Amino acid sequence: GAGVSQSPRYKVAKRGQDVALRCDPISGHVSLFWYQQALGQGPEFLTYFQNEAQLDKSGLPSDRFFAERPEGSVSTLKIQRTQQEDSAVYLCASSFGADNQPQHFGDGTRLSIL
Amino acid sequence: QKEVEQNSGPLSVPEGAIASLNCTYSDRGSQSFFWYRQYSGKSPELIMFIYSNGDKEDGRFTAQLNKASQYVSLLIRDSQPSDSATYLCAVNKGNYGQNFVFGPGTRLSVLP
Repeated sequence: GAGVSQSPRYKVAKRGQDVALRCDPISGHVSLFWYQQALGQGPEFLTYFQNEAQLDKSGLPSDRFFAERPEGSVSTLKIQRTQQEDSAVYLCASSFGADNQPQHFGDGTRLSIL
Repeated sequence: QKEVEQNSGPLSVPEGAIASLNCTYSDRGSQSFFWYRQYSGKSPELIMFIYSNGDKEDGRFTAQLNKASQYVSLLIRDSQPSDSATYLCAVNKGNYGQNFVFGPGTRLSVLP
């Protein structure tokens, strides 16, 4: 596709439910990133994939968060047993190469936990 | 000390003026620097990136980098009301791979 595509755009879940957020990167982009953005803050790094390998997951806030990119293209961020503090915008970005490349963002998924 | 710092603003400038946005970073090993614009409710949009000391110009935008002072700035000439947005500074800390750290953003308001 022309840009990074994320779905759903909005997700409302009850506390304790599991959610799955999808990211379809720009075709041919090797690197894929997930960020969490709270209102009025900059994006906070969650995890990074190079092709199908998850090279860095140091930003995942707890073991309730899990990300995968099994075929090196589409990625899913899963949050288990959601908590209210998980409410945020989740941004996915991709970049062409592995080193020092600009990242291009999708429109994000706004997650609200009730 | 936060890794990437920006004044949160709002920074208000009149239409047609130069807007100057500043960013400092703590990691001397940082290799590349990016400016993103984010409109309210929208995703960050890449404006410019800079890797070497000095100035880099693209249309109305100029990025300036001073690695010795650990400082990067974005100048917007002939500011327009449509430039009103939050500007995010991002720093890639690693030479290999991707280790982006974003600042909190500076909110710019261009007054007609």
